[in-house]
Amino acid sequence: LAKTTQPISMDSYEGQEVNITCSHNNIATNDYITWYQQFPSQGPRFIIQGYKTKVTNEVASLFIPADRKSSTLSLPRVSLSDTAVYYCLGDGDNQGGKLIFGQGTELSVKP
Amino acid sequence: EAEVAQSPRYKITEKSQAVAFWCDPISGHATLYWYRQILGQGPELLVQFQDESVVDDSQLPKDRFSAERLKGVDSTLKIQPAELGDSAMYLCASSSRLAGTYNEQFFGPGTRLTVL
Repeated sequence: LAKTTQPISMDSYEGQEVNITCSHNNIATNDYITWYQQFPSQGPRFIIQGYKTKVTNEVASLFIPADRKSSTLSLPRVSLSDTAVYYCLGDGDNQGGKLIFGQGTELSVKP
Repeated sequence: EAEVAQSPRYKITEKSQAVAFWCDPISGHATLYWYRQILGQGPELLVQFQDESVVDDSQLPKDRFSAERLKGVDSTLKIQPAELGDSAMYLCASSSRLAGTYNEQFFGPGTRLTVL
């Protein structure tokens, strides 16, 4: 199962771009990189998922280099409501749908 | 938008008592998960169902925890007897995952358990 490492916490200000990097040196060949967001007292919510290169949706962008040993979640122009914990996970069929959550990165956005 | 329902949202109990949590997944989702989340940590999978069958319960403390999904729809997680260390958020999630594909998991709001 893919083990991921990410910073425990990050601080930012409203309007800035935030980049959260995750290391996953032993990710399996067929695993996808998946990011979830969790607000206090709520369940996690899927943000974005990718396999290689760059993926962009209405919420974020995900950059995955060719060696796939790391990935970077990019949040453009954050607001106070982006204050949350962000989890990076490897997900693949060989894990049977089992998600292994680490400690995540606690992002604090200040005015 | 369809959501995963959980009840109760909060539960306070005394140690050695029995507690039960209920989860109603998104309609049509065959896969259901129960997670436990201790404050400051990420969720930890307790049990995974595919329809009414248990797929993975390797992290479920089976001496005191039980889970069932009798008709393959809603599910109940029970703790008997509760211990102080069981205080945590219990999260239910569901997905329409099929073998060989990726489907995101949808989480419910959770049940916050406090054991006194």
